[in-house]
This record gives sequence, structure tokens and C-alpha cells, in this order.
Amino acid sequence: GAVVSQHPSRVICKSGTSVKIECRSLDFQATTMFWYRQFPKQSLMLMATSNEGSKATYEQGVEKDKFLINHASLTLSTLTVTSAHPEDSSFYICSARGTGAREAFFGQGTRLTVV
Amino acid sequence: SQQGEEDPQALSIQEGENATMNCSYKTSINNLQWYRQNSGRGLVHLILIRSNEREKHSGRLRVTLDTSKKSSSLLITASRAADTASYFCATDEGNNFNKFYFGSGTKLNVKP
Repeated sequence: GAVVSQHPSRVICKSGTSVKIECRSLDFQATTMFWYRQFPKQSLMLMATSNEGSKATYEQGVEKDKFLINHASLTLSTLTVTSAHPEDSSFYICSARGTGAREAFFGQGTRLTVV
Repeated sequence: SQQGEEDPQALSIQEGENATMNCSYKTSINNLQWYRQNSGRGLVHLILIRSNEREKHSGRLRVTLDTSKKSSSLLITASRAADTASYFCATDEGNNFNKFYFGSGTKLNVKP
């Protein structure tokens, strides 16, 4: 299947700092990318959907100023957690889908720990 | 979960036995997909079934879809210890191809 690379896989940051997570599609053009958050032993919660070149669509309850999403190219989307707090600690996963494709391919996830 | 529920939440079986997981969803859909997640890792796509299909097979996997009941099942036959993982169903909304929502997941443990 197609490859989606997510970086970093783990990050520890101090409260109040910002963290950027990258999601790259390596062998296809990702017209749509999704960002999910997963708490321990729970399902994936869709945070936002982004289409290349346009603003992300956020799910209800997700703070767009807190979680900045940029999808500037067909192979890269970034999620920036701004002014991180310990409650932002979680597992963040991106997925990418090509034009007309029915399935999405997932990155390996980023474990964020805010101390 | 944002879309539906899966049951059981956890399932423990012996190697060689079959494992059946069920998924229910809330809205009309275009497709339903099953994914697998090993602990702390990303998700791997297993199988996709379209809303106009009722059953699909892929190797040891068999998926059924009942749109009248808004439910799907995943059967893993002749399970192996390596099948131990969490399994999630995901749907995209009927009038919106653009979003995937996940069920609550079933944690499968296959004992050797």
C-alpha cells in the first residue's frame, strides 16, 4: 500500500511551548489529509480534515487556534499544537487519501508528552 | 466514539479459533473499512466494503455489511498469535466522502 510518513514519532515538550508534527505522503499525492487524536485504550477522534490549498475543517469541540493545520502541498500536512499543556498529551495520527481514493493510509503516529 | 460502537470491546481466544467482531454505525455511508492497530502504532488498512456490497473476503478475513441494520462484522478465521491487535471499523458519511469516522474498537488477544 501507499506510504505515509509521520514525524516525529515521539516528542516531549515543556508546557507553553509549541510542537509541530509533520505528515508526508511519500508515493502519492494526498489531496485530503486527516488528523486524529487517540487517548489510551480509546478510539481515534477525528480532529480536522484538510484539503490541499484550503483551510482545514475542524470537528466540533476542536480549537482551531490551538491545533493549527497547514496543508500547503499535495504531499505535506502539518499539525502544530500551540501553547501546549499537559492535557494535550496524547497520540496524534495523520492519514492521507489521494484523489478519488476510497481508503486512507495512516502514518505511524506521534506520541506527544507535555511536561 | 464519533460514529459507532464495536463489540465486544475485548475478545480473548486461543490460536486456531475464529474471532468475530461487530461494528454498528449511525449515519448512512458510502463505504465501511476495517483497520488494525498494534499497540501504540499507526493503523493498517485491512479491507473495504462498499455500501452496495453484502460480503467480502480477503485471505482469512471475511466482512459482512447490513446497511438496514447499520452494522458490519469482521471474521478472522484460524487466528494466530500475530493477529493480536485492536481492530477498528471506519465509515465515511453518506453525503460526505471527505470524512472518516472510527468505531470504538475491539481489542483482540490471541493466545498461543
